Amino acid sequence: DTAVSQTPKYLVTQMGNDKSIKCEQNLGHDTMYWYKQDSKKFLKIMFSYNNKELIINETVPNRFSPKSPDKAHLNLHINSLELGDSAVYFCASSQGSGGNNQPQHFGDGTRLSIL
Amino acid sequence: SQQGEEDPQALSIQEGENATMNCSYKTSINNLQWYRQNSGRGLVHLILIRSNEREKHSGRLRVTLDTSKKSSSLLITASRAADTASYFCATRDYGNNRLAFGKGNQVVVIP
Repeated sequence: DTAVSQTPKYLVTQMGNDKSIKCEQNLGHDTMYWYKQDSKKFLKIMFSYNNKELIINETVPNRFSPKSPDKAHLNLHINSLELGDSAVYFCASSQGSGGNNQPQHFGDGTRLSIL
Repeated sequence: SQQGEEDPQALSIQEGENATMNCSYKTSINNLQWYRQNSGRGLVHLILIRSNEREKHSGRLRVTLDTSKKSSSLLITASRAADTASYFCATRDYGNNRLAFGKGNQVVVIP
């Protein structure tokens, strides 16, 4: 009965490869997010979707492309992986449009390591 | 986007003691939220305080907000070993649909 689930939990790959991370939420929330947490635990928003529509697109290299097939899923595809992409990527969701007082619910993260 | 800055960065206390963390921010906020992150896990929402509120309680947690000083504090009373985690504050500005997270406080509760 996991609320926000991400796969895979660990991802180890070579520089230059393309990889995807999947996220699903069963909370019935309208808004989903992708965050990147660096080695110093700093958490930065990357993207947000509300009912499959992109509402936040931070300054992120265009090698990162989110896709939301429906409001319960938000996937992240990364092309041409670089060493600096090594981080923990968190998916989150919240009720409403994202601009309200609703808390965010996080998945357990995907630990991406680039060799 | 502005960020909350927690202070202190790392705190080590004995079980049963209280733990206090502070967070400062720079802009006009709609609300401020505190989250906990256990090692290897995602963030868990603890408490939200609106800009027109000054204090809020939830179990052993007490949060204060001083909008004139642009600061908030999180107090954990009677700490337990299970409270060992990183604690983050996050702010939401008016008219903004994103949360800006601070750097986080590492709290270690020694049994």
